[in-house]
Amino acid sequence: NAGVTQTPKFQVLKTGQSMTLQCAQDMNHNSMYWYRQDPGMGLRLIYYSASEGTTDKGEVPNGYNVSRLNKREFSLRLESAAPSQTSVYFCATNVGLADGETQYFGPGTRLLVL
Amino acid sequence: SQKIEQNSEALNIQEGKTATLTCNYTNYSPAYLQWYRQDPGRGPVFLLLIRENEKEKRKERLKVTFDTTLKQSLFHITASQPADSATYLCALDMNTGRRALTFGSGTRLQVQP
Repeated sequence: NAGVTQTPKFQVLKTGQSMTLQCAQDMNHNSMYWYRQDPGMGLRLIYYSASEGTTDKGEVPNGYNVSRLNKREFSLRLESAAPSQTSVYFCATNVGLADGETQYFGPGTRLLVL
Repeated sequence: SQKIEQNSEALNIQEGKTATLTCNYTNYSPAYLQWYRQDPGRGPVFLLLIRENEKEKRKERLKVTFDTTLKQSLFHITASQPADSATYLCALDMNTGRRALTFGSGTRLQVQP
């Protein structure tokens, strides 16, 4: 089992370009999350999907959109990238049936916006 | 506002000693608290979960305490090894209505041989 996979691993964009970060899980989990991690800021929740067919905003959703394509896949889209979106992006999942569940993280996507 | 604080300065200790990391939180009462380990260039990995009605939890060389009066959790690694060098994150459910964790910024631990 691959667990949680993310593509691409690295990306360089110019300001104004768009891109989609992909996340897939083979753990049959209901809930999926997108976080960004910046130095000294910890992980901040961008969007999450409690179950297939639902998505909700997290702490820092501006400038992003998401799609829960099916139970396995949750993508994050930057429509018009800005330098402030330079960060490391992590996808995470959990079973999604109760509070306090462990989260399982992907390896991350490192994004540089010039 | 609700806040999670971890010491941003790196903790440097000698191999074999006990490392103690601190997680403080304000303005809410979480039902549970989790600790994760993150190695450079990788995603966080779950280590331990402790619930509000548990004072202490152990797993091999790891021990976590949870003091809801002080609003603090301590994370201990006994007999530390260079392989324990990593960043350790605490995470809580901030009762936002989302089943999502809120993470502290982490403390980097460096164990010297």
